[in-house]
Amino acid sequence: SAVISQKPSRDICQRGTSLTIQCQVDSQVTMMFWYRQQPGQSLTLIATANQGSEATYESGFVIDKFPISRPNLTFSTLTVSNMSPEDSSIYLCSVDGGLGTIYFGEGSWLTVV
Amino acid sequence: GEDVEQSLFLSVREGDSSVINCTYTDSSSTYLYWYKQEPGAGLQLLTYIFSNMDMKQDQRLTVLLNKKDKHLSLRIADTQTGDSAIYFCAERRISSGSARQLTFGSGTQLTVLP
Repeated sequence: SAVISQKPSRDICQRGTSLTIQCQVDSQVTMMFWYRQQPGQSLTLIATANQGSEATYESGFVIDKFPISRPNLTFSTLTVSNMSPEDSSIYLCSVDGGLGTIYFGEGSWLTVV
Repeated sequence: GEDVEQSLFLSVREGDSSVINCTYTDSSSTYLYWYKQEPGAGLQLLTYIFSNMDMKQDQRLTVLLNKKDKHLSLRIADTQTGDSAIYFCAERRISSGSARQLTFGSGTQLTVLP
C-alpha cells in the first residue's frame, strides 16, 4: 500500500489569504488526485495532478482558485487561493497505487474565518 | 456523488452483522470500493472488487456485487464498536475523462450499539 502524508493536517486561515497543502507519497505514482470534502458531505474531485504538465480540473474548479503543482512522481501541492468561509473543507490527496487500489491521505482540515 | 447512492444511517448491535448497501448507475464501472472514515480522519481503503467478480471476502468483510442490478453491498461480521464510522461506496468509471477517478456515494453512518 502507498503511505501518503499531507501537510498541514489542520489550519485556521483568515479570509482573503491563500494556503498551500503538500502531499508526499512514499513511492512513485503516476496518478495523483485532489479531492474536497465539505462539512457533512461526500468527496468531490477537484483535479488530477499530472507530472510534467498542467493539472486537469473538474467542472466547477479553476486553476486560478486551486493552482496545483506536480514537480515529480512522489509530490504534489494544492493551493487554495483567496479563501472564503465557503472553502472550509477537508482537502484530500489521493493516489493510484496500482492493481486497482486507490489510497487517500489523512486530509488537511481547513477552517476559514 | 448523485449517481452512487447509499442510505445515510445504519444502527446495529455489537456482535451482529452489518450490511451496507450501495447502488450505482454506470455499467462501465471497472472497480468498486468501500472506504471507512472515522471522525477526524481521512479515508481508509477497506476493500475493493473488480467488476468481473461477484464476491470478495477479507476476514470480517464480505463484498457482494450484482452487476445486473448495479448493486454493491458490504457485510461486516461480528460488528464491533470500533466499526462505528462513515462508510463510503465509490465506483471507478471508464467513461469519465480520467479513467482512474472515483465517484463517491454520500456515505452511510454506521452506529454500533452496545
